[in-house]
Amino acid sequence: AQSVSQHNHHVILSEAASLELGCNYSYGGTVNLFWYVQYPGQHLQLLLKYFSGDPLVKGIKGFEAEFIKSKFSFNLRKPSVQWSDTAEYFCAVNAGAGGYNKLIFGAGTRLAVHP
Amino acid sequence: GAVVSQHPSRVICKSGTSVKIECRSLDFQATTMFWYRQFPKQSLMLMATSNEGSKATYEQGVEKDKFLINHASLTLSTLTVTSAHPEDSSFYICSAIDPGGDTYNEQFFGPGTRLTVL
Repeated sequence: AQSVSQHNHHVILSEAASLELGCNYSYGGTVNLFWYVQYPGQHLQLLLKYFSGDPLVKGIKGFEAEFIKSKFSFNLRKPSVQWSDTAEYFCAVNAGAGGYNKLIFGAGTRLAVHP
Repeated sequence: GAVVSQHPSRVICKSGTSVKIECRSLDFQATTMFWYRQFPKQSLMLMATSNEGSKATYEQGVEKDKFLINHASLTLSTLTVTSAHPEDSSFYICSAIDPGGDTYNEQFFGPGTRLTVL
């Protein structure tokens, strides 16, 4: 069965620090990859997605992620975090080619950024 | 575009009663919607896939008779928690796919409904 692993459950950073959140998935075929963010009290929002093409994906708010097929990874990065980035981040995989396949979510990473 | 709404945002009910949660796609027609459950400090767990005009597809371990899903129109799916018990208290989130846009395979999420069963 497909699965998504997020290795960091809680991350605490100071403003301006760099961020990298790990995400690994288990599926050998074609995948679509997503990072969602959930700010406190708000609904899930899409940060970025990878379907095909350039494995380095740019998202909103300065986030980016790199798809490394050989490592089954899709890590999220931001060079300099802000207090407003405090939120929970979810990696998700939509496995299989074509069709509206279901999303498998990772457990989430709770990021706290201190001023 | 691609906005999904849910109603109500919060509901408190007594044990044994049934609660209906609505999920609407406001600016697109969604042939497929999804229902998730999120426990505190945990990830989203897919409960079922709601298909317009046909029966929902439930994930393993989800009781079909307890969580009734109806997708009667292209903009509305409902989740009814029947005979709710305190252990059903959770955050229920729906999502929808816009088949007509350029967002293939991207799910748009509603704001969620917090259900508390007393």
